[in-house]
Amino acid sequence: GQQLNQSPQSMFIQEGEDVSMNCTSSSIFNTWLWYKQDPGEGPVLLIALYKAGELTSNGRLTAQFGITRKDSFLNISASIPSDVGIYFCAGRSNSGYALNFGKGTSLLVTP
Amino acid sequence: DADVTQTPRNRITKTGKRIMLECSQTKGHDRMYWYRQDPGLGLRLIYYSFDVKDINKGEISDGYSVSRQAQAKFSLSLESAIPNQTALYFCATSDPTGAETQYFGPGTRLLVL
Repeated sequence: GQQLNQSPQSMFIQEGEDVSMNCTSSSIFNTWLWYKQDPGEGPVLLIALYKAGELTSNGRLTAQFGITRKDSFLNISASIPSDVGIYFCAGRSNSGYALNFGKGTSLLVTP
Repeated sequence: DADVTQTPRNRITKTGKRIMLECSQTKGHDRMYWYRQDPGLGLRLIYYSFDVKDINKGEISDGYSVSRQAQAKFSLSLESAIPNQTALYFCATSDPTGAETQYFGPGTRLLVL
């Protein structure tokens, strides 16, 4: 499958800071998803995006579907300790059935 | 109760042993998936099934087999486990209507000695 390029690999920030991460692909996707994985758990869906240019928020989280349809961004505002985890982007193309996952961004937040 | 459950949650086995991981869902979804997760590699698709009579290989199916016993059940087997199959395994489901977002189980941590 198509491997997405997700960056950064890891982030170590202080509580209250804003966080940005992104994913890029060489292929066009028609769906972008952002998941969070807590230690010892499965990924949980945070935000789903279905149209180029779409900007969607879920509490302190905001994600955007890039205009080129080859990238997506996730921002977390005013981070808190419970934001700790691994964040994955995932995309699906028009011809695909399966999700292509990024390698994840590991986020650590210190109080 | 969780919508997607996996058993066992943790398993240690020896090289050459046969092992089965089970997944059950109460979401009523037709589509089910098995992924493995390795540190730094993200999630990779092993097998997927769009309904009870449909089974398809994913990106990394070698060394694995699956069985879709019912709409709600999808099991993954390692016929002869080897150490590089040590990983975290996730089952997921999706509904082909609407957005087809995937929902994941809690995972099975497998160690092959």
